[in-house]
Amino acid sequence: NAGVTQTPKFRILKIGQSMTLQCTQDMNHNYMYWYRQDPGMGLKLIYYSVGAGITDKGEVPNGYNVSRSTTEDFPLRLELAAPSQTSVYFCASTQYSGGVYEQYFGPGTRLTVT
Amino acid sequence: TQLLEQSPQFLSIQEGENLTVYCNSSSVFSSLQWYRQEPGEGPVLLVTVVTGGEVKKLKRLTFQFGDARKDSSLHITAAQPGDTGLYLCAGVIGNTPLVFGKGTRLSVIA
Repeated sequence: NAGVTQTPKFRILKIGQSMTLQCTQDMNHNYMYWYRQDPGMGLKLIYYSVGAGITDKGEVPNGYNVSRSTTEDFPLRLELAAPSQTSVYFCASTQYSGGVYEQYFGPGTRLTVT
Repeated sequence: TQLLEQSPQFLSIQEGENLTVYCNSSSVFSSLQWYRQEPGEGPVLLVTVVTGGEVKKLKRLTFQFGDARKDSSLHITAAQPGDTGLYLCAGVIGNTPLVFGKGTRLSVIA
């Protein structure tokens, strides 16, 4: 059982470049999330999805896009990368049962934009 | 403004000491969770508390949810170097996504 997997683990982008961060989960969870974690700032929600075909903005969506064509995959797209997007990105999926969330995180993608 | 305030922000203690970290809010949560994150890895769920006043134990870790469901604490007894990490609390309000605090960074020195 792989859980939540993310690729790549590390990436360096030049300003203005684009890239897609991949996220896959094999737990058949309907809910998936993308967070960014900056030093000393905790986790901030970028986008989330409550099921295939449904996505919604989180706290910090500007500069990002997502899609959810399948239950398993939830890629995050960065267009026109900026230094402010330097961060560690975490994907998570959630099991929601009886009013309780149990969230499982991937290992993260460390992105540097220079 | 931060919905969930965690304190202290940093904590460095000797092996064998006890410690308590706090998670506070002015909002009422339907559930609250604690995660531990080690360097280079994603957060890992430790516990979920749902009922006001609830206390849960996980080996040397004791988690408490406030009676009013606005705050929580994590107490570690006889801390060990393996407890080192970033401790995050996260809460759910209604059907909204989890909201995370900034975390307490714990260092246990052997």
